[in-house]
Order: sequence, then C-alpha cells, then structure tokens
Amino acid sequence: GNSVTQMEGPVTLSEEAFLTINCTYTATGYPSLFWYVQYPGEGLQLLLKATKADDKGSNKGFEATYRKETTSFHLEKGSVQVSDSAVYFCALSDPGGSYIPTFGRGTSLIVHP
Amino acid sequence: DAGVIQSPRHEVTEMGQEVTLRCKPISGHNSLFWYRQTMMRGLELLIYFNNNVPIDDSGMPEDRFSAKMPNASFSTLKIQPSEPRDSAVYFCASSFGPGSSGANVLTFGAGSRLTVL
Repeated sequence: GNSVTQMEGPVTLSEEAFLTINCTYTATGYPSLFWYVQYPGEGLQLLLKATKADDKGSNKGFEATYRKETTSFHLEKGSVQVSDSAVYFCALSDPGGSYIPTFGRGTSLIVHP
Repeated sequence: DAGVIQSPRHEVTEMGQEVTLRCKPISGHNSLFWYRQTMMRGLELLIYFNNNVPIDDSGMPEDRFSAKMPNASFSTLKIQPSEPRDSAVYFCASSFGPGSSGANVLTFGAGSRLTVL
C-alpha cells in the first residue's frame, strides 16, 4: 500500500535559517505529491504540489522537487520567518489507485526570532 | 466561496452523551472526507464520501461512530455514546471527485475540537 514517512519534529530554527523537512514515500503507481501546512488552531491548507517526476512545486518561498529515483519530496526554504511556525504534512495521492490521500505524521516547525 | 464550514468549533460534553459534528463542503466538490487528529495518532481518515455515497469507512473506530451525507452540501459525524478517548480535533475536507482536474487537492475546514469529560 501507499505510505509517507516524514522526519520527526519538532524542528527548531532561528529566523533566516535554511529549512529542510525530509519526506519519502512508497506508492504502487505514479502518485501526485503534496505539502500541506497547518497553522495553530486551523485546518490543513495546501502549500504546494507536484504531479510528476522532476516537477518542482513552489509557494511562499517554499520548494519541493519530486524525485522518483529516491522516492522523495523534501520541503525546503532558504530563509524562514517566525510566521512559518506550523506543522507541515507531506502527502500523496495516487490517481490510478484508491484516490484517497495518504498523509505523513506531520513535522512541527518552530522558528525563534 | 466561504470554504469548508464546520460546526461547532468547540464542544465540551460528558461521557455518554451524543455528539453531532456538522460540515458544509465547498459547492461543486463531489468528495468529502472526515479526519480525526490527536497527538498520539496524528491525522486519521475516518470516512470518505463520493457523490454523497460512503466509499471507504474502514477508519471509523467502532459502532459508536456514524456519518451521513444526505445531500451534496451537508454531512454529519455522530458519536453515540461519547467516551473520553474520543477527545480530538475532527476535520472535514472536500475536493473535486476522482477524474476531475484538481481532484486530489483537499480543502480542509477549521476543525471541531471535541472534549469528552
């Protein structure tokens, strides 16, 4: 079956530091990959996505590249801000399979001023 | 569109009471999901509807939980009787149906925080 593995948090950084949150996946088909973000007290919201190998998704300074050879979709940002403090979820959806999205456990990011 | 609307935002109840959580999905979305989020278990899919029909309810914990979608604009998740271990944040999410462009992108509501004493 499909699965998503994320690095455990919390990740604690100082403002303007470089961020990487690792995500690897297992899928039987050719999934689409996503990063969702959950700010305190809110629901998850889509941050970025990529639908095929070598695609790069980007939004709000965050980027992730779909790497089929390493089955990875790591999230990066060059300079984090305090306002980026949130929980980040990696997810996949296999349009040719059950379609139901599979989420990782989430990684908490804490950015200090 | 106002997004996915959930109510109530917060519910505190006593063990044994019935709890009903409500969700209004985004107009035009054909798929609806109910999730439960806890610190211990993370985000768990409870049930998935497509075109108002339950497709996968394998995540529903036990018979105390039930979900309905009587029409395209409304769904409920009911817990009867409630227990302290049901305390969690319950999210509703909707998306376009399978085969549609953007089908696999979910829009989440703000959640309903349930505390069972």
